[in-house]
Amino acid sequence: SYVLTQPPSVSAAPGQTAMITCGGDRIGRKSVHWYQQKPGQAPVLVVYDDTDRPSGIPDRFSGTNSGNTATLTISRVEAGDEGDYYCQVWDTSDDPSWVFGGGTKVTVL
Amino acid sequence: DVQLVESGGGLVQPGGSLRLSCISSGFTFSDYELNWVRQAPGKGLEWISYIGSAEHMIYYADSVKGRFTISRDNAKHSLVLQLNSLTVEDTAVYYCARRSFPGGFDVWGRGTMVTVSS
Repeated sequence: SYVLTQPPSVSAAPGQTAMITCGGDRIGRKSVHWYQQKPGQAPVLVVYDDTDRPSGIPDRFSGTNSGNTATLTISRVEAGDEGDYYCQVWDTSDDPSWVFGGGTKVTVL
Repeated sequence: DVQLVESGGGLVQPGGSLRLSCISSGFTFSDYELNWVRQAPGKGLEWISYIGSAEHMIYYADSVKGRFTISRDNAKHSLVLQLNSLTVEDTAVYYCARRSFPGGFDVWGRGTMVTVSS
């Protein structure tokens, strides 16, 4: 089965940039989606199809995807950006399935 | 408002069963693929099941295959997950989620808690 690898934690000071990586075998060939989850809440889609943002998501959130790594970048980090972030892909290598990364906790210093 | 609302969670003994429901509003239910995702306490997200818009495509994670059954009733705007042969490892918050096309899961319910314990 397909595996997505994320760092357990990332931290950044307010106003700085936080980068969250998502590693997977030839992930650049897949569409990657990113979610933000705050404690006690359901996940929220923040980037879809590698680079696109749903309406209402600030342009401080951006994504890239190439080779074996996809990256979610949060620019000008704010206290409200704290939470857990998950990457996701659709994998068809065996039985089709959605796959989530293990999640990255973002801490604003 | 576009909304998904889950229900049916609760406390069940190992080996028991539960039926989770997810009711939609605010969008054309039959147009969308739907999924169940769970999250064990303190853990990450785990996708567990998918159903296509016309119900002819259904997939399960290996962890629930043969024990859980997904179904939908487009006329009732309802998604169902039947959970059988439950184990303590199935303890989690269960979310239903709509997949946008193209894109990821753009609408999520608030979740319903399933606790498997003797």
